[in-house]
Amino acid sequence: SQTIHQWPATLVQPVGSPLSLECTVEGTSNPNLYWYRQAAGRGLQLLFYSVGIGQISSEVPQNLSASRPQDRQFILSSKKLLLSDSGFYLCAWTVGMNTGELFFGEGSRLTVL
Amino acid sequence: GDSVTQMEGPVTLSEEAFLTINCTYTATGYPSLFWYVQYPGEGLQLLLKATKADDKGSNKGFEATYRKETTSFHLEKGSVQVSDSAVYFCALGQGGSEKLVFGKGTKLTVNP
Repeated sequence: SQTIHQWPATLVQPVGSPLSLECTVEGTSNPNLYWYRQAAGRGLQLLFYSVGIGQISSEVPQNLSASRPQDRQFILSSKKLLLSDSGFYLCAWTVGMNTGELFFGEGSRLTVL
Repeated sequence: GDSVTQMEGPVTLSEEAFLTINCTYTATGYPSLFWYVQYPGEGLQLLLKATKADDKGSNKGFEATYRKETTSFHLEKGSVQVSDSAVYFCALGQGGSEKLVFGKGTKLTVNP
């Protein structure tokens, strides 16, 4: 069966520090991968998606970047965090069949102080 | 652009009460509509979906009907259980796209 793992689950970082959140999918190949963010009082916002290794599309301009160094690995990064980067980050994958069904990880809660 | 509006939470009900969580959308064309649920400590998972007008999605006793005339997809359950306590997200997707647009989520707490 397919599983998705995100880490770390919780992170507290000072403003200006770097960030790396990692997401790994197991049990499937060539998944479409997504990073969503939920900020306080707001809905889930799509940040990045990837249809293959090295292929990243950004949905909104921001202080973050994403990379896909391996087929089932998706990394969210920042060189210098801002207070506004605080939120709950969710990684998700699909089989690319346009069913609309996303499979989510458990999320990473980032607090920038 | 496309958007989804959900009723503000939190919602607190007693066990066996009737549940309605309102969801309306703004979109061009004919989107697919979804309800996702996030149980405490877990990731989101698909609860039900509808792909065209008048379709009814159902799962685990929950139902939602795609109403094009009112641009709504309200979630209902006739008798909630404590185990239904979770955050519920309404979402839409265009043309089979997996880049979904989500609402803010509604937290439901069911007390015994």
